Amino acid sequence: AQKITQTQPGMFVQEKEAVTLDCTYDTSDQSYGLFWYKQPSSGEMIFLIYQGSYDEQNATEGRYSLNFQKARKSANLVISASQLGDSAMYFCAMNGNNDMRFGAGTRLTVKP
Amino acid sequence: AAGVIQSPRHLIKEKRETATLKCYPIPRHDTVYWYQQGPGQDPQFLISFYEKMQSDKGSIPDRFSAQQFSDYHSELNMSSLELGDSALYFCASSSPEDRGRDTQYFGPGTRLTVL
Repeated sequence: AQKITQTQPGMFVQEKEAVTLDCTYDTSDQSYGLFWYKQPSSGEMIFLIYQGSYDEQNATEGRYSLNFQKARKSANLVISASQLGDSAMYFCAMNGNNDMRFGAGTRLTVKP
Repeated sequence: AAGVIQSPRHLIKEKRETATLKCYPIPRHDTVYWYQQGPGQDPQFLISFYEKMQSDKGSIPDRFSAQQFSDYHSELNMSSLELGDSALYFCASSSPEDRGRDTQYFGPGTRLTVL
């Protein structure tokens, strides 16, 4: 069975600084995908970034980058130059057969 | 770019009533997924459809059913509603051009409140 663990219920970061949100996973699959989603207070789930298990390079999408350490089974999200609009819930997820398994989420608050 | 559309956005029902949630995937997306997110919880997978056939089933109660139609839109039918069904219900879709990766793009959700 697949499992996603996010150990940080809440994080604070100063505006313009970088922040790392932790995610570890457990799976017996050889091929898998890891995703990060952002959920603002309005409720929608916004896709941020994807990392494939066979990708050799860490994924990057604008200010988002994924620190993928396969041997440690970790896929931490790094947000650079934090903005007030980054305040939201962030979910790490892994795709299984046909579904997405989510971690418990980390609530990020960006302070001005 | 077009996104996943869900309707209604908000729904209030009484216990034991029925509800139907609708989902219109991103154009040319052929796979639809339904999730339930309780207050303060992460989304839980309910059911998915690929090319109008059920492809996977998660923690969907027997009181719920769903289907995908020929135009790829999907409906989640919920009967004998219980207080515990109050949640945010997401639909997501993925593209046949994204096989292997299967990035799921989520709709805005339907917030169901059962009184």
